[in-house]
Amino acid sequence: QQPVQSPQAVILREGEDAVINCSSSKALYSVHWYRQKHGEAPVFLMILLKGGEQKGHDKISASFNEKKQQSSLYLTASQLSYSGTYFCGTEIRPEYGNKLVFGAGTILRVKS
Amino acid sequence: DTEVTQTPKHLVMGMTNKKSLKCEQHMGHRAMYWYKQKAKKPPELMFVYSYEKLSINESVPSRFSPECPNSSLLNLHLHALQPEDSALYLCASSQGLTGGTEAFFGQGTRLTVV
Repeated sequence: QQPVQSPQAVILREGEDAVINCSSSKALYSVHWYRQKHGEAPVFLMILLKGGEQKGHDKISASFNEKKQQSSLYLTASQLSYSGTYFCGTEIRPEYGNKLVFGAGTILRVKS
Repeated sequence: DTEVTQTPKHLVMGMTNKKSLKCEQHMGHRAMYWYKQKAKKPPELMFVYSYEKLSINESVPSRFSPECPNSSLLNLHLHALQPEDSALYLCASSQGLTGGTEAFFGQGTRLTVV
């Protein structure tokens, strides 16, 4: 039940935009997005709970299409600090408890 | 205080050793987790504790034994590990007991089994 992320890796220049996708074969209760830099802990970016929900934080936003069982993370006007590995984490149903399962990750590298 | 603290940061142990990893949080979170992360892989869920009771065990080998002595502490006891158990072990906590809330991660313990 691991969600599928795409692309596996992306290289950007500062100021460029990127989209990272996360899809599941099962109906989703929530989608979490985290960024992890090398040697560090994953850092929470945002969580989406409702179908069709969209959230934004600075120049990073995300959408959740419950019907398609998909979420996308949008990074606009990328900065060097955006570099890292982005993971989506999915929860299938709340009655399963806090079973957050992560996708394989997308490596993002922003160059100057 | 929004920190999850893990000790030790690094651990090298032999296959016949017994050691413990510790995790502490003071955010009042009632759900705590252990994840295992191999290099270039995502965190992989091992155990979930809800209200100090084990709620999820992802078929983890018995050489890993979790313990939640109180609402702030989570331990992972290690015994007779194999070299393939070498990994980054991450502890996390969250407020919600039924999902849908942010998980805060500790910095992890980098374990090497020799």
